[in-house]
Amino acid sequence: DAKTTQPPSMDCAEGRAANLPCNHSTISGNEYVYWYRQIHSQGPQYIIHGLKNNETNEMASLIITEDRKSSTLILPHATLRDTAVYYCIPRGGSNYKLTFGKGTLLTVNP
Amino acid sequence: DVKVTQSSRYLVKRTGEKVFLECVQDMDHENMFWYRQDPGLGLRLIYFSYDVKMKEKGDIPEGYSVSREKKERFSLILESASTNQTSMYLCASRGRAYGYTFGSGTRLTVV
Repeated sequence: DAKTTQPPSMDCAEGRAANLPCNHSTISGNEYVYWYRQIHSQGPQYIIHGLKNNETNEMASLIITEDRKSSTLILPHATLRDTAVYYCIPRGGSNYKLTFGKGTLLTVNP
Repeated sequence: DVKVTQSSRYLVKRTGEKVFLECVQDMDHENMFWYRQDPGLGLRLIYFSYDVKMKEKGDIPEGYSVSREKKERFSLILESASTNQTSMYLCASRGRAYGYTFGSGTRLTVV
């Protein structure tokens, strides 16, 4: 599994965009980048995933660099309910497992 | 929406007891997983099952076993509970689509 590096914590003002970086320089060609978040005392929640193209859904946007060594999750208008730990997880198609790192604690401030 | 339901939100058991944690999913998913989560250690995979009656060890299987007799149900068994198994236990399922769906977790305290 590719190793990931994420900042341990970040702050964001409510209503502003939150940009969460992830370094995954050892990612292999068939590994997708998945993003999950975990709100306190709840199970992790799927946000978005991508291989090499940028992706957008109703929750977030995912920007993957051309060399695929890093990505950024963007929450366009953060709300207080977006306060959570965000995990960036590379995973290959044939690999059943999700391996969680320490993630980034995003705190959205009023 | 896929639902993954864990039978108990909180459990308190005594050392040495046999403990069953139950997980049920309602979307006919093939893959199911059990994780535990501890402060400072994050989520760690205990066991997973890729089909009925099939199971594989995860990263920390010692002291645990699992059962998957029906596709929708995946049970985690602590054969003889110990205090170091006090933790938050999370079940997840995954179908042919990409996302994993997690349950709300069971906070187990072994006294």
